Amino acid sequence: IVLTQSPGTLSLSPGERATLSCRASQSISSSFLAWFQQRPGQAPRLLIYGASTRSPGIPDRFSGSGSGTDFTLTISRLEPEDFAVYWCQSYDGSPYTFGQGTKVEIK
Amino acid sequence: QVQLVESGGGVVQPGMSLRLSCAASGFTFSDFAMHWIRQAPGKGPEWVILISHDGSSKSEDSVEGRFTSSRDNAKNTLHLQMNSLRSEDTAVYYCARGGSGGDWARRTFDAWGQGTMVTVSS
Repeated sequence: IVLTQSPGTLSLSPGERATLSCRASQSISSSFLAWFQQRPGQAPRLLIYGASTRSPGIPDRFSGSGSGTDFTLTISRLEPEDFAVYWCQSYDGSPYTFGQGTKVEIK
Repeated sequence: QVQLVESGGGVVQPGMSLRLSCAASGFTFSDFAMHWIRQAPGKGPEWVILISHDGSSKSEDSVEGRFTSSRDNAKNTLHLQMNSLRSEDTAVYYCARGGSGGDWARRTFDAWGQGTMVTVSS
């Protein structure tokens, strides 16, 4: 499964809403789709699994939606710590694939 | 809390071997599948290899036959043996926790270590 994320870079201000897209080359069964956040110098952190379930400890300003081939990560109001790179990932068995990432940067 | 600590990275020449380790704590290690994931400088994460709770493994095509993973459930330790290293294997290598119980192979990576850097260069 090839995952295509858009846009490549999103320039926004704190407090704004961010909408990130992830499109799969074929349908992902049972929504085996996750989203990760990666800050500079850190390991990726799981935000969302099952397309829409927040991982424990993740703030509710992060939400995931979608099914089949089209998935979305929404950050309702950007906080300073949210400026980072976001990766979508399919885990419907191996190989486990990642998208090419969306960087959310401060405008 | 779940903790994963990788070690063993370094600089090696092409064709050489390296063995990475990952020490796990804060959960019942023997219940969980584990993964190795790598990230080349400036690139996205790339899944490398999965090892089930009881030691069977599956790897990504580009490392098949060169990389193997093993685990010692008594010592809560995971290993990645990397042979015939190539320049394109240069990356930060992370261990990550996979799934447990039913459908364990269809779980994402819910905890990651801090990573260890492997540089393959002459």
